[in-house]
Amino acid sequence: QQQVKQSPQSLIVQKGGISIINCAYENTAFDYFPWYQQFPGKGPALLIAIRPDVSEKKEGRFTISFNKSAKQFSLHIMDSQPGDSATYFCAATGYGQNFVFGPGTRLSVLP
Amino acid sequence: SQTIHQWPATLVQPVGSPLSLECTVEGTSNPNLYWYRQAAGRGLQLLFYSVGIGQISSEVPQNLSASRPQDRQFILSSKKLLLSDSGFYLCAWKDTGELFFGEGSRLTVL
Repeated sequence: QQQVKQSPQSLIVQKGGISIINCAYENTAFDYFPWYQQFPGKGPALLIAIRPDVSEKKEGRFTISFNKSAKQFSLHIMDSQPGDSATYFCAATGYGQNFVFGPGTRLSVLP
Repeated sequence: SQTIHQWPATLVQPVGSPLSLECTVEGTSNPNLYWYRQAAGRGLQLLFYSVGIGQISSEVPQNLSASRPQDRQFILSSKKLLLSDSGFYLCAWKDTGELFFGEGSRLTVL
């Protein structure tokens, strides 16, 4: 019940395209869902996060869509750029709980 | 502002040697601190977390240990390294519900 599933494992997108990464969770006690971006040799950095009281959050080219009934959330990267090439992790947590991370998605944006 | 420091950034150690990785957080008090390990091309594995000085919780039993001698210091140690200990070790701290990572320490055990 603590698992967060993430797909796809890897993703190749042309410059200017839309990148979509999906995650699913089981624990209904989770109430905070962040996405992290990690470049090679660096620590993950918080990219964007959402709480279940809203269905969508947008920050620049990055959007989280959240479906509470389906227990799914996704990251959309609009107008993808080569600089977006990185590994993306979704995560989930709740009160008094540790963060549970998805296995990651390696995104490559072709110029 | 809060910052997190990890060192050393890179470490190459022989099998059977000891290990000490250090993490220090600045700009906050009584943070929750975490050690994660990331194997090559893999996800984030929680190793230890601490909610206060001297309080350590282990998530994965192995030959690693953690200590928190001061409020903002978290140390990852081993008495004898194994080949399987190679990886990218990340220290993190939690503030107002968000988790922030350090730059990581890359350990290669030969």
